[in-house]
Amino acid sequence: QLQLQQSGPGLVEPSQTLSLTCAISGDSVSSDSDAWNWIRHSPSRGLEWLGRTYYRSKWYNEYAVSVKGRITINPDTSKNQFYLHLNSVTPEDTAVYYCARGRDTPRDRWFDPWGQGTLVTVSS
Amino acid sequence: DIQMTQSPSSLSASIGDRVTITCRASQSIKTYLSWYQKKPGKAPELLIYGASNLQSGVPTRFSGSGSGTDFTLTITSLQPEDFATYYCLQSTSIPRSFGQGTKLEIK
Repeated sequence: QLQLQQSGPGLVEPSQTLSLTCAISGDSVSSDSDAWNWIRHSPSRGLEWLGRTYYRSKWYNEYAVSVKGRITINPDTSKNQFYLHLNSVTPEDTAVYYCARGRDTPRDRWFDPWGQGTLVTVSS
Repeated sequence: DIQMTQSPSSLSASIGDRVTITCRASQSIKTYLSWYQKKPGKAPELLIYGASNLQSGVPTRFSGSGSGTDFTLTITSLQPEDFATYYCLQSTSIPRSFGQGTKLEIK
């Protein structure tokens, strides 16, 4: 059964970099049917898709415009996990961050499962 | 970018009621529409994918319909565990986009 386990700090200082890890069990980060996503949830913004990484003969990354230029999502095939790095954070980046497997075929597209979530607070 | 508009934003209902939540896309998304249930402190859970396909393990009182730009999630015979916030998600193009959510509360 596919499971995603998140890890990373819950408190980040303003202007610093938010870094989270999502460890995958039961699937491969190099799957050619899936994409590996980061999403955040806050009362003010609801659910916000941040970006994804996926492998289709080579690695691709796609990001939301709202965080483009500050975000990097990259895979680690040796550890079967992927990462979120969001730099120059402000209090506006305070949210619960989730990783999620995105099934991504012409027939099936959805997010399942999700990681357990990490509350990240941006504060000094 | 595709905008997803959900309505209503909140809804009060009683145990046993039937409720319908709608989601409208700013352009056609075919049937690349999924629905999620979110409870406080927990990750969202997939209910419906492909607009009308019930995810394995999800009770049959949940159903979805629609294609193109207009979609609905229907819950028949509400149970106590159904009071939560529901979100739609379009997966036809990047960026992926969610509706703003519908909070279902007990009347």
